[in-house]
Amino acid sequence: SQTIHQWPATLVQPVGSPLSLECTVEGTSNPNLYWYRQAAGRGLQLLFYSVGIGQISSEVPQNLSASRPQDRQFILSSKKLLLSDSGFYLCAWSAAANYGYTFGSGTRLTVV
Amino acid sequence: QKEVEQDPGPLSVPEGAIVSLNCTYSNSAFQYFMWYRQYSRKGPELLMYTYSSGNKEDGRFTAQVDKSSKYISLFIRDSQPSDSATYLCAMSGASGSARQLTFGSGTQLTVLP
Repeated sequence: SQTIHQWPATLVQPVGSPLSLECTVEGTSNPNLYWYRQAAGRGLQLLFYSVGIGQISSEVPQNLSASRPQDRQFILSSKKLLLSDSGFYLCAWSAAANYGYTFGSGTRLTVV
Repeated sequence: QKEVEQDPGPLSVPEGAIVSLNCTYSNSAFQYFMWYRQYSRKGPELLMYTYSSGNKEDGRFTAQVDKSSKYISLFIRDSQPSDSATYLCAMSGASGSARQLTFGSGTQLTVLP
């Protein structure tokens, strides 16, 4: 069966520090991968999605970036965090959008 | 206008009540409809999945799709405190494109013992 792992679960980082969140999927190959952000009490905001190694589509211009160095690995990064980057970050995978997504357990990021 | 509209609530009901959660949408190309449940500080999990119009039942949960009205609903019978969560609707068109799952903003539900 397929599983998705996302870490860390919580992170407190100072403004201006770098960020690296990692997501890996097991039990499938060539998944579509997604990074979402969810502000408190708000809906899901799609940040990046990837249909293959090295293929990244950005939905929202900001100081975040994403990379897919391996088929089942998706990384969210920032060189310098802003206060506004605080939120709940979710990784997800799908075989195709109309099959639905499977989400990871999320990372709660607080920028102080 | 958003493609998918969902009443954010919050919605508070007594245990045992029937709960109705709803979404409307504007894109007539949507054919696959899903409901996700998200507990506090957790990732959303797929709860119900339906294709095109009609009803689907799974235990205490029933998903309804009315494509003519562009309206979907999730009913929860005999609601339990463990149903307290945020419920998000999501929908997709026929194409297998990676981009095409669109989410509602979520409805926060509390079931009081």
